[in-house]
Amino acid sequence: GAGVSQSPSNKVTEKGKDVELRCDPISGHTALYWYRQSLGQGLEFLIYFQGNSAPDKSGLPSDRFSAERTGGSVSTLTIQRTQQEDSAVYLCASSRGQGYGYTFGSGTRLTVV
Amino acid sequence: GESVGLHLPTLSVQEGDNSIINCAYSNSASDYFIWYKQESGKGPQFIIDIRSNMDKRQGQRVTVLLNKTVKHLSLQIAATQPGDSAVYFCAERATSGYNKLIFGAGTRLAVHP
Repeated sequence: GAGVSQSPSNKVTEKGKDVELRCDPISGHTALYWYRQSLGQGLEFLIYFQGNSAPDKSGLPSDRFSAERTGGSVSTLTIQRTQQEDSAVYLCASSRGQGYGYTFGSGTRLTVV
Repeated sequence: GESVGLHLPTLSVQEGDNSIINCAYSNSASDYFIWYKQESGKGPQFIIDIRSNMDKRQGQRVTVLLNKTVKHLSLQIAATQPGDSAVYFCAERATSGYNKLIFGAGTRLAVHP
């Protein structure tokens, strides 16, 4: 597609429930990234996929967080047993590869109540 | 670890004035830097990038300056317009693993008529 698409745009969930966030990167972009942005804060790196290489998961805050990328395209970020501190905007970005800037989606605003 | 920070959290300017947003980075081995603009409710948007073999790069109304000696990056916006009001992030390419970007906390630019 023309841009990075994320869904849903907003998600309200009860504490303890699992959520799945989806990202459709730009067609042909081999790299995909997930970041988290808390209110009024900068972007916190979560995970990075590059082609068929093993993902860089070094930013995942706990084992409740996981992500996968199927077929080198769509990615889902899963948060299990959500906690209130998980409330944030989750941003996905893609790029053509190393040395190129990212194109971000509009994010999913997650609210855990 | 690597970190990127900003000198000023909020910058207020008059319409038509020039704006300068500053950023400090900690890793002298970083070789790629990007400025992003984020408007309310949207994902960050690429503005301009610069590689470490350059000191200055110009775009349309924007200029990025890189001072590797003091590890300082700045974004200059000429003739600032109300549409420039947003949060601006600098980002540094991490040298530890793949191509992930490390973002600063952001500076809010408020343009007054």
